[in-house]
Formats: sequence, structure tokens, C-alpha cells
Amino acid sequence: DQQVKQNSPSLSVQEGRISILNCDYTNSMFDYFLWYKKYPAEGPTFLISISSIKDKNEDGRFTVFLNKSAKHLSLHIVPSQPGDSAVYFCAATASGSARQLTFGSGTQLTVLP
Amino acid sequence: EAGVTQSPTHLIKTRGQQATLRCSPISGHTSVYWYQQALGLGLQFLLWYDEGEERNRGNFPPRFSGRQFPNYSSELNVNALELEDSALYLCASSLWVGTGYTFGSGTRLTVV
Repeated sequence: DQQVKQNSPSLSVQEGRISILNCDYTNSMFDYFLWYKKYPAEGPTFLISISSIKDKNEDGRFTVFLNKSAKHLSLHIVPSQPGDSAVYFCAATASGSARQLTFGSGTQLTVLP
Repeated sequence: EAGVTQSPTHLIKTRGQQATLRCSPISGHTSVYWYQQALGLGLQFLLWYDEGEERNRGNFPPRFSGRQFPNYSSELNVNALELEDSALYLCASSLWVGTGYTFGSGTRLTVV
């Protein structure tokens, strides 16, 4: 049972345009969500997070939106740059799980110059 | 500050053998997590150690096991290797989930 789903395995975007990566979850106990970026041959690196008490969090070019009623979150990258080309994973955790993250399957973002 | 370090970087084993993968967390981090990333798949949770104890394990057979040492470093053992165990094994450590995990670069295990 996949509790965190990223239904788009890949996404291509033109440089300078907006990239929107989506993630859905099924476990209503999840109350903290994170996005990670992964380059080949490297471990994932933390990008941005959001608590369920918020519906938006911004950090520079990256913004995460959370729609709790739809159990949906999205990561917006504006403007997209070629260096953003990587695999993006969303992850979720529940307060009671004491820090264990459940990851989605990832979306390969390719930013075309 | 040193990050999470994993060794070896690459490991090639024959089916039926045992593999041992090692992880050193960031200094001060007491929790170590192991994940498997098979080709084309996401990060599958394997094991979580905290303060020397196994706190949780994912949906993997018992031949995947590990331990955490008093210095919080950790070891993942995979016995009776099968071809489908070929994957990137990632170790992560954390202090608290608000800052997320810090991952190592992984060990690429190939079973032939």
C-alpha cells in the first residue's frame, strides 16, 4: 500500500518557466511533509518542508503548497534552471511515528535550456 | 562538519553471499535510517535505529538485518543475496524530522 504517491515519473520544462511537481498521500495521520532532490550517484538532499498547520511555505525559488482536504501537495519551482534537473521525492511523516519518513517514488525533472 | 558517510561506495557480490554495508551518521545524530532504492523505484524504508535499538523495520525479509553501535554508527547486513537485492542502499541520520534527514551518498550493491 503506497501511502505517498508521485504519479508523474517524469516532467520536462523549459528554462525560465515554472515547474510543478505533485504528490498525493493517503494516510490522514501525516502532518509534516518534505521535498528532497536527488542527483545521480548522490544521496537525496533536503529542499523544503511544510507543516500541516500551514498551506504554503516559500524558500527562494521553491514554494510548497499543501491541500489537506485533497491530501495533495505540490512543489513549484520558479524560474526553473537547468541545474534543477534531478529526481524530486516527496516525503511525509506523522507525529506519532517519531521521525520516520515515508517517501514517494520520485519525479524526474528535466529543465531544457 | 562531516556529513553522513557510507562504505563501501560499490560492492559486487555473488548470489547466496552476504553483504555488509556501513554508515556513520552526523556527529550528534542518534537516529540512523536505511533505505533501498532499486532501479526505477522510489526509496523503500528498510530499518530505523535509535540509541542502539531497532525502532522499526520495513516490509523486507529477515535476511535484511543490522545493528547500531554505541558511537551511533550502523551496519546493514544482507544474507543469502538474491539478484533482486541489487540496488542503491542509502543511509540517513537525523536529529529531528523538522530539518529532514541527511543522507549519505549510498552504497551501490550489485548481485551477480
